[in-house]
Formats: sequence, structure tokens, C-alpha cells
Amino acid sequence: AQKVTQAQTEISVVEKEDVTLDCVYETRDTTYYLFWYKQPPSGELVFLIRRNSFDEQNEISGRYSWNFQKSTSSFNFTITASQVVDSAVYFCALSERGGQNFVFGPGTRLSVLP
Amino acid sequence: DAGVTQSPTHLIKTRGQQVTLRCSPKSGHDTVSWYQQALGQGPQFIFQYYEEEERQRGNFPDRFSGHQFPNYSSELNVNALLLGDSALYLCASTRQSYNEQFFGPGTRLTVL
Repeated sequence: AQKVTQAQTEISVVEKEDVTLDCVYETRDTTYYLFWYKQPPSGELVFLIRRNSFDEQNEISGRYSWNFQKSTSSFNFTITASQVVDSAVYFCALSERGGQNFVFGPGTRLSVLP
Repeated sequence: DAGVTQSPTHLIKTRGQQVTLRCSPKSGHDTVSWYQQALGQGPQFIFQYYEEEERQRGNFPDRFSGHQFPNYSSELNVNALLLGDSALYLCASTRQSYNEQFFGPGTRLTVL
């Protein structure tokens, strides 16, 4: 069975600090996809990144970066120089081959204080 | 290009009633999934529709049913509402064989 764990329930940082959101996953499939979504107060889930199980290269997109390590089943998300607009709930999700069922983690609520 | 749309935005029902939620997928998408997100939790997968058939189902009772129309839009029906059905219901669409899901803004259902 697939499972996603986000151990950090809430994180508060001061603007311009760097922050890392942790994600640990479980799956028996060798082919799977990992995602990060952002959910601002408006409620709509905003796609941030998709990574497949065969691509362990880390990725950077502006202030966002992702560290995928299969050896520890982790897919962590770092925001550099955080901004108040980054305040939201962030979800890590796992989809096994076929993409028919996304399993979401419980989410991490990030508050960036001015 | 319109994204995923859902209606209504908010809904208030009483226990025992029935509700229908609607979703129009993003243009070019043919697969629709429904999720229930209780307050403070991550979305939970309800079911997915493709080619007007339910392709996979999560751990939800038969009170939850759905439908997909030839234009790929979809409905989620919940019968005999319980207080615990109060949640944000999210619809997501994707193209068959693609994995990235696009989510709608959700319908917030309150059961009194």
C-alpha cells in the first residue's frame, strides 16, 4: 500500500529565512510519481512539481528546490528566502503506475511572518 | 483556456439529504477524479472516471456515486448525508496516460 508522511504539521519562519518541508513516502511499485502541491487560503490546489521514480536529479525553480532521494524514500521541498506569499499548506503526494490514485500526505502549514 | 471548474462553490444541507456536485475538466482532459478534504487533512481519493466509467475507487461507501458525461464533465452524488460528510470536495482532471492532475477550486459542503 502507498503512504505519504509529512511529519511537520506546522512551520513558522520569518521572511527571508530558508525553510525545508519534509516528505517521506512508501510504495511497493518501482514506477511511481511524486508531487508537491500548494494550497493557499482560497482552497485551490496549485501544482508545483512532478518527479518520476527514475529521475533522481534534484530540481531548482527560482526560490524553490526539491531533493529526491530514493535511498531514504524522501522528496523534500526547500523554499529559499521565503516570502509572506509563500504562506500556505503544502502537500506531498504519490501516484503509482497508471496515475489512477493520488495519495496525499496530511500537509504542512507554512506561515511566513513579515 | 479555462481550468477545472466546479459548482456550486458552497452548499449547506441537512442530515439525510442528497447532494450533487459538478465538475468540468480542463480543456483537452478526459479523466476526472474526485477527492474529499476534511478540515485540516489532506485530500482523500474517492473515485476516478474515464470514458464514462468508474475506473478506480477509494475507501468510500456506496453512498458516494458518480457519473461522467460524453463531454467529460462529471458529477459526484452523495446520498443520506452524514455530519461527517462536511468537507471540501475537489475535482481534478488529467489526460489519459498523463500523470499530472489539475485541481478545481472545490465545493465546500456543510451538513447540519
